[in-house]
Amino acid sequence: DAGVIQSPRHEVTEMGQEVTLRCKPISGHNSLFWYRQTMMRGLELLIYFNNNVPIDDSGMPEDRFSAKMPNASFSTLKIQPSEPRDSAVYFCASSFSGGAYEQYFGPGTRLTVT
Amino acid sequence: EDKVVQSPLSLVVHEGDTVTLNCSYEVTNFRSLLWYKQEKKAPTFLFMLTSSGIEKKSGRLSSILDKKELFSILNITATQTGDSAIYLCAVVGGAQKLVFGQGTRLTINP
Repeated sequence: DAGVIQSPRHEVTEMGQEVTLRCKPISGHNSLFWYRQTMMRGLELLIYFNNNVPIDDSGMPEDRFSAKMPNASFSTLKIQPSEPRDSAVYFCASSFSGGAYEQYFGPGTRLTVT
Repeated sequence: EDKVVQSPLSLVVHEGDTVTLNCSYEVTNFRSLLWYKQEKKAPTFLFMLTSSGIEKKSGRLSSILDKKELFSILNITATQTGDSAIYLCAVVGGAQKLVFGQGTRLTINP
């Protein structure tokens, strides 16, 4: 199994630009999670989907952030417009049946907004 | 609000030492506690604990949960330089999502 796949691995963009991060979960997993990791705040859950439906988006910082999961094998996290404080590593993770099972993390996307 | 506190935040020891990492938590409708190891990239899963007093073991690593006192420990014996990493503790409550602690940065010096 290829594991969770994320793209791009690195993204450098200017303030105000739109950024789209992509994730392909492990085949057969029906829960998908987006996290953000910074030195100051650690690893924070942004949103999670179960069977392609958003279950909890309480961690999404503000309206500039949006996430979609159009099918079981693909999800996007979009930031529009981006700001320097959005600079972080964004991880996607997947698991079976909700958060009670171990989650497997993708390699992450390191986002730098200048 | 669910909360996880890890201690110490940073630990430096010599190769061969034994270390104990701590994780205390407050969570509504506890379901499980998980330990992850994060080196340079993504967190990798170590253990999931759901029952008190039952030790989970994998090689030199072991972990145990105390649901009465609301904490868990992760032990690493005969440490090696390859054990250097950030160790993350997370809990799952009624909301069925992982809430992570800040992590313990472990450095093993040769």
